[in-house]
Amino acid sequence: GQNIDQPTEMTATEGAIVQINCTYQTSGFNGLFWYQQHAGEAPTFLSYNVLDGLEEKGRFSSFLSRSKGYSYLLLKELQMKDSASYLCAVRAGGGNKLTFGTGTQLKVEL
Amino acid sequence: GAVVSQHPSWVICKSGTSVKIECRSLDFQATTMFWYRQFPKQSLMLMATSNEGSKATYEQGVEKDKFLINHASLTLSTLTVTSAHPEDSSFYICSGNNEQFFGPGTRLTVL
Repeated sequence: GQNIDQPTEMTATEGAIVQINCTYQTSGFNGLFWYQQHAGEAPTFLSYNVLDGLEEKGRFSSFLSRSKGYSYLLLKELQMKDSASYLCAVRAGGGNKLTFGTGTQLKVEL
Repeated sequence: GAVVSQHPSWVICKSGTSVKIECRSLDFQATTMFWYRQFPKQSLMLMATSNEGSKATYEQGVEKDKFLINHASLTLSTLTVTSAHPEDSSFYICSGNNEQFFGPGTRLTVL
């Protein structure tokens, strides 16, 4: 099986930077995804990492270390609309199945 | 980008009835679709992998006779919750064969 851990909740200030960590234990690793999910809505894709290193996309960046089973999502210049749940998901084995972490509820305050 | 739609967006039904949820890929062909459910304040859990033209593959603990999946074409997969009970109330979400695109979800409430 797979084990994916994320903090349950985080709070940050508008305009600041926040880093959401995700650790995983799996066999046959084949990619890590980050999603944003607002309450009552389906997840929205943010980023994908399969090789070690940092992937930057606008205000959002994601980092992966396969040897450490570790990833983080970095959100810069936080806005109130960034308040949402952030889900880390790992693809492993055959079939492109995703296993999701429990999600990190981010609250952005003034 | 690839667009996935679901219908209905929400449904309320009585206990014991069956409910069908449709998942369509609008601008791409999906040989594989994935069905997830999400209980309140929990993360997404994969229920089954729907394969066009063949039987679905169910995850451990998911009853295949209760959650019937049909993937008869490259653009449509359906999930039928048979004899629904209140504990089946959940948010059901599908995705095409690309992890980037999820359908908008179907909220099922069983009374």
